[in-house]
Amino acid sequence: DGGITQSPKYLFRKEGQNVTLSCEQNLNHDAMYWYRQDPGQGLRLIYYSQIVNDFQKGDIAEGYSVSREKKESFPLTVTSAQKNPTAFYLCASNSRLGNYGYTFGSGTRLTVV
Amino acid sequence: SQKIEQNSEALNIQEGKTATLTCNYTNYSPAYLQWYRQDPGRGPVFLLLIRENEKEKRKERLKVTFDTTLKQSLFHITASQPADSATYLCALSRSGGGADGLTFGKGTHLIIQP
Repeated sequence: DGGITQSPKYLFRKEGQNVTLSCEQNLNHDAMYWYRQDPGQGLRLIYYSQIVNDFQKGDIAEGYSVSREKKESFPLTVTSAQKNPTAFYLCASNSRLGNYGYTFGSGTRLTVV
Repeated sequence: SQKIEQNSEALNIQEGKTATLTCNYTNYSPAYLQWYRQDPGRGPVFLLLIRENEKEKRKERLKVTFDTTLKQSLFHITASQPADSATYLCALSRSGGGADGLTFGKGTHLIIQP
């Protein structure tokens, strides 16, 4: 079945560490997105990529970095510069046309310890 | 700045009744609007998309309306069931075409009472 796989499901980070969240899709979608969700808050866009080797900042990109070397993969690195990284991270994909529903992964819950 | 508002409090509905959720937005001219369902600890699941030139869209027990003059969408679940209990998210295209992502409301928590 086609879909999006995020790993790991739970991740713990120590202060000052960088961590990388994985996102893989087999839907042949051109566009991929990273969102952050905090309790009681809407999803906020971190980064997005509409095509391989190209990506754009979203609304809250500070402290995060991404790469898009393959169409199937869009990993997100949470750097030590992100001051409040504890959150639920969601990856999504969409055909580049944009006017279709997004497919989301099951999320990664990141906690700073 | 762009803003999306959904009922911030939980909505309690008796089983079998119609649940109606509201999404209001300002400072937008979205090409389309989407509704998603999210269960606790899970990613959102796409339900319906309605375009700016459409007034109403239906899918099984779901109905969405889109009034671009009022800047409002209503999401209806008819013959509601306890299994419909979840958080429902409204989302708008960030730009006209929408390929640069969606902006989401905070969601409405719907509880269907048996």
